[in-house]
Amino acid sequence: NAGVTQTPKFQVLKTGQSMTLQCAQDMNHNSMYWYRQDPGMGLRLIYYSASEGTTDKGEVPNGYNVSRLNKREFSLRLESAAPSQTSVYFCASSLRDRGPYEQYFGPGTRLTVT
Amino acid sequence: QKEVEQDPGPLSVPEGAIVSLNCTYSNSAFQYFMWYRQYSRKGPELLMYTYSSGNKEDGRFTAQVDKSSKYISLFIRDSQPSDSATYLCAMSREGNKLVFGAGTILRVKS
Repeated sequence: NAGVTQTPKFQVLKTGQSMTLQCAQDMNHNSMYWYRQDPGMGLRLIYYSASEGTTDKGEVPNGYNVSRLNKREFSLRLESAAPSQTSVYFCASSLRDRGPYEQYFGPGTRLTVT
Repeated sequence: QKEVEQDPGPLSVPEGAIVSLNCTYSNSAFQYFMWYRQYSRKGPELLMYTYSSGNKEDGRFTAQVDKSSKYISLFIRDSQPSDSATYLCAMSREGNKLVFGAGTILRVKS
């Protein structure tokens, strides 16, 4: 099992460009999450999907959109990138969205917006 | 004020030392408490999980939760150079939307 995979690993964008970060899991998990990690801030939840067909905003959703394409895949889109979106983005998944279910994280995407 | 406060360190200790990592929080509704370990340029991985108050032990690791003081701790006994990483505390009300601390960088010197 690959667990949680993310593409691309690295990306450099110019201000105003758009891009989609891809995430897939092969653990048959129902819930998926997108976080961003910035120095001194820890991880902050951007969006999550409790189950296929549902998405909800997290702590910092502005400037992002998500799509739960199917049970395996959850993508994060930046429509018009800004320097403030320079960060490391992590996708995670868990069996359920409530209760003591471990979130498994992907390796991350390092995004720089110039 | 952040909901979860964690000293970023770095914390540098000699091999074999006992390490104490801590977080404080302000939201009394939190009932799930976790510690994640993150190696450089990797994703976080779950180390310990505790529900409500109390202690939990797993090998060299012990997690403690004191809900009355809104304070959680992770102790590492007989620390090893391989324990060098960033340790993130995380907590939630219902287990899904995690709120993370900023992370503490730990360096164990051989």
